[in-house]
Amino acid sequence: NAGVTQTPKFQVLKTGQSMTLQCAQDMNHEYMSWYRQDPGMGLRLIHYSVGAGITDQGEVPNGYNVSRSTTEDFPLRLLSAAPSQTSVYFCASTSGQGGDQPQHFGDGTRLSIL
Amino acid sequence: SQQGEEDPQALSIQEGENATMNCSYKTSINNLQWYRQNSGRGLVHLILIRSNEREKHSGRLRVTLDTSKKSSSLLITASRAADTASYFCATDARSGGSNYKLTFGKGTLLTVNP
Repeated sequence: NAGVTQTPKFQVLKTGQSMTLQCAQDMNHEYMSWYRQDPGMGLRLIHYSVGAGITDQGEVPNGYNVSRSTTEDFPLRLLSAAPSQTSVYFCASTSGQGGDQPQHFGDGTRLSIL
Repeated sequence: SQQGEEDPQALSIQEGENATMNCSYKTSINNLQWYRQNSGRGLVHLILIRSNEREKHSGRLRVTLDTSKKSSSLLITASRAADTASYFCATDARSGGSNYKLTFGKGTLLTVNP
């Protein structure tokens, strides 16, 4: 099994550009989430989904959109990139909806906004 | 806002020594999880402890939970250079209904010197 796959691994954007970070999992997990990791800040939740067609905001949702049309995929869209969105982005999935199961993480997308 | 906070922020030890990291949180939880992150990689789940458990073991890992003090500790015994990584605690917090959000602390950077 591939687990959680994130693409691309690295990306450089100019301010104002838009892009989509891809996340796919092959474990049939209902719950998926996006985090950003900044130095000294730990991981902060951007958006999450408890199943296809259902999404909700996390701690830092501004500037990001998500949708969940299938169980496998959970893309994150940057609408108009800003330098403050320079970060490492992680996608994670887990079975169930409670915090009683481990989360499986991808290896991240390193995004730089110039 | 961060739910869990790890202490210390950084820890440097010699191979063979034990490493202890602490996590404090603010609100009541159902479960607490510990994750490891090697440099440039995603997070890997280590151990989950439920609110009605006080101690849990997995190989060289020992986790304790004190719900009265809202704190947890992760002990790595007989450390190895390969244990060098950042360690995060994560707690669940109900966000209305049955949905939950897993909140991560800022992490402890452990360096094990050969």
